[in-house]
Amino acid sequence: DARVTQTPRHKVTEMGQEVTMRCQPILGHNTVFWYRQTMMQGLELLAYFRNRAPLDDSGMPKDRFSAEMPDATLATLKIQPSEPRDSAVYFCASGRGDTYEQYFGPGTRLTVT
Amino acid sequence: SQQGEEDPQALSIQEGENATMNCSYKTSINNLQWYRQNSGRGLVHLILIRSNEREKHSGRLRVTLDTSKKSSSLLITASRAADTASYFCATDHFGNTGKLIFGQGTTLQVKP
Repeated sequence: DARVTQTPRHKVTEMGQEVTMRCQPILGHNTVFWYRQTMMQGLELLAYFRNRAPLDDSGMPKDRFSAEMPDATLATLKIQPSEPRDSAVYFCASGRGDTYEQYFGPGTRLTVT
Repeated sequence: SQQGEEDPQALSIQEGENATMNCSYKTSINNLQWYRQNSGRGLVHLILIRSNEREKHSGRLRVTLDTSKKSSSLLITASRAADTASYFCATDHFGNTGKLIFGQGTTLQVKP
């Protein structure tokens, strides 16, 4: 049963620290999305990639967030330095280019104190 | 903003009843999708309806799309306690190259 995996599942860190979240998309999927979910803002798209190339990162605060796909099996989202307002659940999703469905991972719950 | 709006924000029904959720959006779409999110979990894709379709069924789910009104509805028939979750509509808009815009969601509680 193919699934998107994310690590870590939970992360508690202090303000100013670097946070790295990892995602392994489903094998064969060529599109990867990063979302952030909070009670106030709902589900926000941060960035997405197709065939490892960034297509849109307009939803991401550029000064502190960065997203990369070092290879087809790994996507990373980094926050440096982290701030309390970054506390949220971060989801990775993947999809195939010829369909529009997205398959979500279980999320990383980030708490910045 | 292209973000869709869903109503109601919350819905509470008894097991066996039908649940209807609505979604409205602002600009033309390629397709509209519905997702379910159980508490503490990621979203799960339920159904996709294309802009040239008016109705689609999947098991106990029925989705309708009215592009003239820019709205969609999701009907869950004969609801079960296991249907308790948040339901989101997501729209794929022209010119957005495949990214989805999610609504704020409807929280459904089905009481046993």
